[in-house]
Amino acid sequence: EPEVTQTPSHQVTQMGQEVILRCVPISNHLYFYWYRQILGQKVEFLVSFYNNEISEKSEIFDDQFSVERPDGSNFTLKIRSTKLEDSAMYFCASRTGRETQYFGPGTRLLVL
Amino acid sequence: QKEVEQNSGPLSVPEGAIASLNCTYSDRGSQSFFWYRQYSGKSPELIMFIYSNGDKEDGRFTAQLNKASQYVSLLIRDSQPSDSATYLCAVTSYNNNDMRFGAGTRLTVKP
Repeated sequence: EPEVTQTPSHQVTQMGQEVILRCVPISNHLYFYWYRQILGQKVEFLVSFYNNEISEKSEIFDDQFSVERPDGSNFTLKIRSTKLEDSAMYFCASRTGRETQYFGPGTRLLVL
Repeated sequence: QKEVEQNSGPLSVPEGAIASLNCTYSDRGSQSFFWYRQYSGKSPELIMFIYSNGDKEDGRFTAQLNKASQYVSLLIRDSQPSDSATYLCAVTSYNNNDMRFGAGTRLTVKP
């Protein structure tokens, strides 16, 4: 069964550094998403992406964040200058049509 | 602000009982409603979705939607210890381009 994959599974970085989180959505899916979940808190929507552009973004998705689909398979989330409060689990999700979103296993980001 | 509210629990039920999970949402324009299950440290896993008012059954799970009351629920029949997890209610708007989650209800099914 097709799955969303994410790399790396864990990432440790120093405050102020840039990180890139990678996702490979399910191959025939057209809509892509990033979410984050701070430990012990709810899953929060960051951004949706369709047809090579951002469809919608939340108030969390400020100028330090960017997304890109650099090729036909990868979907990336870049955090330009990480802060301590960026420490969270980051989930990628994808969907096609009206179907539900399927989530990847997540990348746990720790900012020191 | 689009809010999705759930009782955080924990909700504890004995094995074989019915577990009832509730969710309310603030955005009247919401179109699609989802229940996900999340085990600790894992990603959300879809249980079922519902778009129309009324009930939708899938095996031991029944989702109920009442758009007038802005209320969606999930019933789990014949609860099993393996159902012990956090259950997340999620709601999307008309264009399905975002998904807002509730904080989740932690369910424990005791053998």
